[in-house]
Amino acid sequence: DAKTTQPPSMDCAEGRAANLPCNHSTISGNEYVYWYRQIHSQGPQYIIHGLKNNETNEMASLIITEDRKSSTLILPHATLRDTAVYYCIVRVHGSGETSGSRLTFGEGTQLTVNP
Amino acid sequence: NAGVTQTPKFRVLKTGQSMTLLCAQDMNHEYMYWYRQDPGMGLRLIHYSVGEGTTAKGEVPDGYNVSRLKKQNFLLGLESAAPSQTSVYFCAHRRAGVGEQYFGPGTRLTVT
Repeated sequence: DAKTTQPPSMDCAEGRAANLPCNHSTISGNEYVYWYRQIHSQGPQYIIHGLKNNETNEMASLIITEDRKSSTLILPHATLRDTAVYYCIVRVHGSGETSGSRLTFGEGTQLTVNP
Repeated sequence: NAGVTQTPKFRVLKTGQSMTLLCAQDMNHEYMYWYRQDPGMGLRLIHYSVGEGTTAKGEVPDGYNVSRLKKQNFLLGLESAAPSQTSVYFCAHRRAGVGEQYFGPGTRLTVT
């Protein structure tokens, strides 16, 4: 699976948009971009995933560049409860299913939402 | 709880003792995983299973064994616990194909 690079920490004011970047310059054509977050040692929580089109759900938006080498997770109106470690992960599908399509977690970005 | 429970929630072991961690999911998913997370680090995959009766090694399998006799259960065993196995253990599951993993609340294990 492709390696990802994220800033170790970011701050955001409550009510403002939080934009979390991720670099995955070695991503291959059948690899999806997934975002998870982990709130204070709880189990990781799925946020969103995409292949090449931008995606939006009730939690966040995912913007993937046209060359797919980077992406941005956007939390449109951050709250204090969004303070967490955010993980960007690329994961292969299709032929990669035989390996269980494991998630490879890096160290993520610690997002702190300030009042 | 993301359709998954982990038992026990906390445990303290002495070096050399054995124990089994149980993960149970109620979503009938094919794939199940065991991860460990050490302080300040991301999760690392120990073992995983792509279906009932099958298991495979992950990134850090040494010192652990697993079994998947029933589709809904995935057991992680420590035959002879070591202090290096002090960690938080997370179980996860997902359906085959594109989709997210659902994580349990974790088991906090201390080996003294």
